[in-house]
Amino acid sequence: DTAVSQTPKYLVTQMGNDKSIKCEQNLGHDTMYWYKQDSKKFLKIMFSYNNKELIINETVPNRFSPKSPDKAHLNLHINSLELGDSAVYFCASSQVGGGTQYFGPGTRLTVL
Amino acid sequence: GDSVTQMEGPVTLSEEACLTINCTYTATGYPSLFWYVQYPGEGLQLLLKATKADDKGSNKGFEATYRKETTSFHLEKGSVQVSDSAVYFCALTPQGGSEKLVFGKGMKLTVNP
Repeated sequence: DTAVSQTPKYLVTQMGNDKSIKCEQNLGHDTMYWYKQDSKKFLKIMFSYNNKELIINETVPNRFSPKSPDKAHLNLHINSLELGDSAVYFCASSQVGGGTQYFGPGTRLTVL
Repeated sequence: GDSVTQMEGPVTLSEEACLTINCTYTATGYPSLFWYVQYPGEGLQLLLKATKADDKGSNKGFEATYRKETTSFHLEKGSVQVSDSAVYFCALTPQGGSEKLVFGKGMKLTVNP
């Protein structure tokens, strides 16, 4: 009965590859998010979707493309991976209107 | 823009010591304020929150009070346990239901037996 789940948990890949991270929530929330946590643990929002529509895009390179097939899923596709993309990526969800956000367990991406 | 400033640590305490983690914010109006905790190897969990001035959030022995006059939301616990070892993040969502959390830089706490 996991509330927010992400796959995979770990992802190791070479520079230049394309990869995807999947996120699903079973909380019935309308809004989903992607956050990036860097090596110093600093967390910053990347994207926010409300009912499958993009509402926040925080100057993320266009190599990153979120896709929301329905309001329970928000996947993150990354093209042409770079060393600086190595980080932990967290998915989160909330009710619309800025309610409490619930986080997934994170995906640790390592680009070699 | 909106921002959160918190103690960065790392901090090491002995079991049963008192804990205070300072957090101040910059935002217009009345943001909602949160403390999230990240245990080793895990994702973030909401620890407590407050949505209006003078509200006190509490959970697991932790408390924080929303102080509008000092724009602060300091986290306190009277007696920490080894199991409290984690990274603690102060965060806000801007007034008006904006859909993003703005985080402080996090503070790593280690509690030794």
